Amino acid sequence: AQSVTQLDSHVSVSEGTPVLLRCNYSSSYSPSLFWYVQHPNKGLQLLLKYTSAATLVKGINGFEAEFKKSETSFHLTKPSAHMSDAAEYFCVVSMVGGSYIPTFGRGTSLIVHP
Amino acid sequence: NAGVMQNPRHLVRRRGQEARLRCSPMKGHSHVYWYRQLPEEGLKFMVYLQKENIIDESGMPKERFSAEFPKEGPSILRIQQVVRGDSAAYFCASSQEGQGFGNEQFFGPGTRLTVL
Repeated sequence: AQSVTQLDSHVSVSEGTPVLLRCNYSSSYSPSLFWYVQHPNKGLQLLLKYTSAATLVKGINGFEAEFKKSETSFHLTKPSAHMSDAAEYFCVVSMVGGSYIPTFGRGTSLIVHP
Repeated sequence: NAGVMQNPRHLVRRRGQEARLRCSPMKGHSHVYWYRQLPEEGLKFMVYLQKENIIDESGMPKERFSAEFPKEGPSILRIQQVVRGDSAAYFCASSQEGQGFGNEQFFGPGTRLTVL
C-alpha cells in the first residue's frame, strides 16, 4: 500500500522569500516520488521526480526536493519565490516493483504576495 | 508537437444524460490514463489504456463509467446517466511507455463536468 500526505493545504509567502512545501509518504516498496504543478484551468506539469538515483533532485523553475528515507519525506523547496510560482502543487508517489498506479496528495496551494 | 488535448473543456449535463469526454494523446504516445479530481482533492486514478486495450481499470466505478482507446481516434471516457456526484474535473495523461510511473506522464488541460 502507498499513501502521500501534503501537510499544508495553503502556504503563503512573500515574493523573494524561500518556499517550503511539505510532503510525507508511505510505501511498501521503493517509491518513485514526483512533484507536479497545476496553474488555474491548466493541466499538471511535472516539476521534478525521484526514482532512486540522487536524493537531491533538481527540477524546473528553480525548484528542488530532497528524498529523506529516514523521515519518509520529499519536501519541495525554492530559494526565492516568484509571483508566477503561485499555483497548486501535488506530491505523487508510485512504487517501483509494485503497482505503478500513482497516488496523489490533496495538493498545496502556494500564494505569493508582492 | 501539440500536447495532450482534451475536449470539451467544459461540459454541462443534466442528471440522467450521458457525458462523453475525449482525449488525444501527444504524438507518438500510445498509453493513456484518465484521472478524476474532485474539489479540494488530488487526482484519483481511474483507468489506464493502450490502443484497443484496457490495461487497468481498477479506479473506475463499476457502473455507468466506461473507457476506450480505439485504433484510430481519441480515447473516450463515457459516463452514462450522470449524477450530481460525477461533477468533477477529468484529466487525461499520456506517456510513451506504460509500466512504471517513472515514465513521465503529460497531462491535458482537463474537462470540467458539471451535472445540474
